Amino acid sequence: ETGVTQSPTHLIKTRGQQVTLRCSSQSGHNTVSWYQQALGQGPQFIFQYYREEENGRGNFPPRFSGLQFPNYSSELNVNALELDDSALYLCASSPGLAVNEQFFGPGTRLTVL
Amino acid sequence: SQQGEEDPQALSIQEGENATMNCSYKTSINNLQWYRQNSGRGLVHLILIRSNEREKHSGRLRVTLDTSKKSSSLLITASRAADTASYFCATVSDTGRRALTFGSGTRLQVQP
Repeated sequence: ETGVTQSPTHLIKTRGQQVTLRCSSQSGHNTVSWYQQALGQGPQFIFQYYREEENGRGNFPPRFSGLQFPNYSSELNVNALELDDSALYLCASSPGLAVNEQFFGPGTRLTVL
Repeated sequence: SQQGEEDPQALSIQEGENATMNCSYKTSINNLQWYRQNSGRGLVHLILIRSNEREKHSGRLRVTLDTSKKSSSLLITASRAADTASYFCATVSDTGRRALTFGSGTRLQVQP
């Protein structure tokens, strides 16, 4: 059974650029959630996808968008990057909508200069 | 925004000692979970306790939940150097959003 994987591991961008982060969910999981974790803080919920549809969103602006594909992998896109977008981005997968245990990937460290 | 606070923010103990971390939250919940994170990497699920449960055990872990006080505690017994990590509580609301709301975390250092 393959766990949750994320790519890339690290990324450096400049302010105003756009970035796409990728997540491959655990086998059999049809729900993917994305979280942003600033340094020294707990993760904050960005949004969740269930069977290719957005199924809830946290307090993030529309320049944070996502996709889920038929194989349940997912992308997080961030447009017009700001310095405060520098963070660890985590995706988590789970089987179905009940929020029990979530399985996290190793994260993508994004630095915006 | 964070759901609540964890206390202490940082904890340093010797190997073999017990470590206790506390978590407070603000809204009514369906369940509360504890996660561990090593050095800014992915989170690992440790234990889940439902709102109708008061105590749960898993190996060296013991979790308590007091819904009247909106608080939980995680006890790690006989700690090991390998337990050094950040520990986060996360709640799931009993209404609305089906996502985890995390606390600010406790950084545990276990000295060998």
